[in-house]
Amino acid sequence: QQPVQSPQAVILREGEDAVINCSSSKALYSVHWYRQKHGEAPVFLMILLKGGEQKGHDKISASFNEKKQQSSLYLTASQLSYSGTYFCGTILYSGGGADGLTFGKGTHLIIQP
Amino acid sequence: EAGVAQSPRYKIIEKRQSVAFWCNPISGHATLYWYQQILGQGPKLLIQFQNNGVVDDSQLPKDRFSAERLKGVDSTLKIQPAKLEDSAVYLCASKGQGRYAFFGQGTRLTVV
Repeated sequence: QQPVQSPQAVILREGEDAVINCSSSKALYSVHWYRQKHGEAPVFLMILLKGGEQKGHDKISASFNEKKQQSSLYLTASQLSYSGTYFCGTILYSGGGADGLTFGKGTHLIIQP
Repeated sequence: EAGVAQSPRYKIIEKRQSVAFWCNPISGHATLYWYQQILGQGPKLLIQFQNNGVVDDSQLPKDRFSAERLKGVDSTLKIQPAKLEDSAVYLCASKGQGRYAFFGQGTRLTVV
């Protein structure tokens, strides 16, 4: 079951904030956030495990709402380097060894000076 | 630390031809994944290896796609014969003891 990301695209001015959401119709074990710039490899940002924790580093943070099966990525005071496509990847179950991610369609973020 | 290496970076073939992609994971990473990323979409898992054994290949189109990881290190993904809809970026990723995977830059395949 592919997670649903919203919005599909965001255009911001440098210094503005953004929120990207990732929703699942099934119970999640974990949510992984990656950023991909054009022609480059996806780069890991952070992982959220069920339990409703919130994580962050620098000005990027994320939360996981277990009741809603939704994760949100928060970008504060956005910088030009934040531009790219953000993907959430989900895992439904732990254990069993199979832990490949099911990715959403991505959110395109453009930061303008 | 060297990242995940993939080759070639680009490949153009005609439909019905065969093609192979190579991946060298980060040293010591036991888990290796192949993903297919069609333009404008998120990566889609094709196959997961744990050492040289297949953990999950439920989304691999086995009539034309095959993958192997013979010595538990490098891996190859093959398509035979290729179709137009196979045009995509093929991403390899590896994971060690940690909880998240590192991706390579991918191989961009164009089938004409």
